[in-house]
Amino acid sequence: SDELTQPPSVSVSPGQTAIITCSGEELSVQSAHWYQQKTGQAPVLIIYKDTKRPSGIPERFSGSSSGTTVSLTISGVQAEDEADYYCQSAAGRVFFGGGTRLTVL
Amino acid sequence: QMNLEQSGPEVKRPGTSLRVPCKTSGFSFGNSAIHWVRQARGQRLEWIGWIVAGSGRTNHAQKFNDRVLISRDMSEKTAYLELTSLRSDDTAIYFCAARSDSKIDYMEVWGTGTTVIVSS
Repeated sequence: SDELTQPPSVSVSPGQTAIITCSGEELSVQSAHWYQQKTGQAPVLIIYKDTKRPSGIPERFSGSSSGTTVSLTISGVQAEDEADYYCQSAAGRVFFGGGTRLTVL
Repeated sequence: QMNLEQSGPEVKRPGTSLRVPCKTSGFSFGNSAIHWVRQARGQRLEWIGWIVAGSGRTNHAQKFNDRVLISRDMSEKTAYLELTSLRSDDTAIYFCAARSDSKIDYMEVWGTGTTVIVSS
């Protein structure tokens, strides 16, 4: 299956920890990558190969993987983190999850 | 610094074709891979296809069948997306995104997108 499943929405208060999950059979053999997309902007890579963080991405963003599920953790959420978050994997062809809207209360 | 420059909005009639450029700078185009991704208003990201610039090898999502052509101009350091037989549900923002090392597993940098409206 080429489907990646994410929760449609996650809500947290500032300073709390947000965890966004992404599930799919291919994640047991393929890496996952995460993008942040703020309203009206292009996506930005925030995690690649399950756990790696590109330069310039704050340390509060981290990734983990277990079996067929990967997770994006945002520690100490800030108002500016409010955005849509997409997981993505690839096996020749490329697949995106449905996206998760993070709301900072 | 990697940069992808995309063109301004376009309005197309149903049944016509679209050609969207993605002009690159700040990295070695010949050693890169370029993806095309689109996003309808309020919807998820949808992968269209990729091209490995050096070899010209391409791949695309099955749903586009023979409607899509991804190409590149090495001298202009530009990738192109062509989509034929346009329909109203092709209305979307079309993003190009790049990897600087010819690998296709994820996208390092994204362009700002080209808005395409398909309407009669």
